[in-house]
Amino acid sequence: GENVEQHPSTLSVQEGDSAVIKCTYSDSASNYFPWYKQELGKGPQLIIDIRSNVGEKKDQRIAVTLNKTAKHFSLHITETQPEDSAVYFCAVAGAAGNKLTFGGGTRVLVKP
Amino acid sequence: EAGVVQSPRYKIIEKKQPVAFWCNPISGHNTLYWYLQNLGQGPELLIRYENEEAVDDSQLPKDRFSAERLKGVDSTLKIQPAELGDSAVYLCASSTRTSGRANNEQFFGPGTRLTVL
Repeated sequence: GENVEQHPSTLSVQEGDSAVIKCTYSDSASNYFPWYKQELGKGPQLIIDIRSNVGEKKDQRIAVTLNKTAKHFSLHITETQPEDSAVYFCAVAGAAGNKLTFGGGTRVLVKP
Repeated sequence: EAGVVQSPRYKIIEKKQPVAFWCNPISGHNTLYWYLQNLGQGPELLIRYENEEAVDDSQLPKDRFSAERLKGVDSTLKIQPAELGDSAVYLCASSTRTSGRANNEQFFGPGTRLTVL
């Protein structure tokens, strides 16, 4: 089955700096790559996703890049703010559809 | 629009007791998922429903876990009997299905935190 690895497991940044989280996956047939943000006591919430026909996608301060050849994708958060502090999960799904395999998560702390 | 509703939010039981979790998906979402999230880890799929049919239950421990989605709307996940290792957060999610697109956004509920003593 699919194997998703996520790094780093924790990330501490100063407010205003950038944060980068990386994920690798094993199944070359995977074609959907969402990122979720999970705050304490809440369920994961989608913040951005990318499909395999696109190399990069941006939404305000967040962006995702995908390298299908190397089988890795990254989340970039610029101008971090304290409210960006949360656990972030990458996930991967294949052409069969609707089955997400999640990474282990990254706990991001933005220090004021 | 109301999100995915789960109840209870917290449950504490003793081992060997039964427990049930309830999920009401977003209106119109025909796909429903149950995930298990252990502390400090990502969610893991237990079962996926397309309408009332369980189309992927390969990760569901069928000796003690069961699920149903009568009428293709609400769903219930049951554990009987519960074991200490079942302590975790149980998440429910739902999504729509678009013709020609295999994956759509999954919307998660807040989860039920289960503690087995």
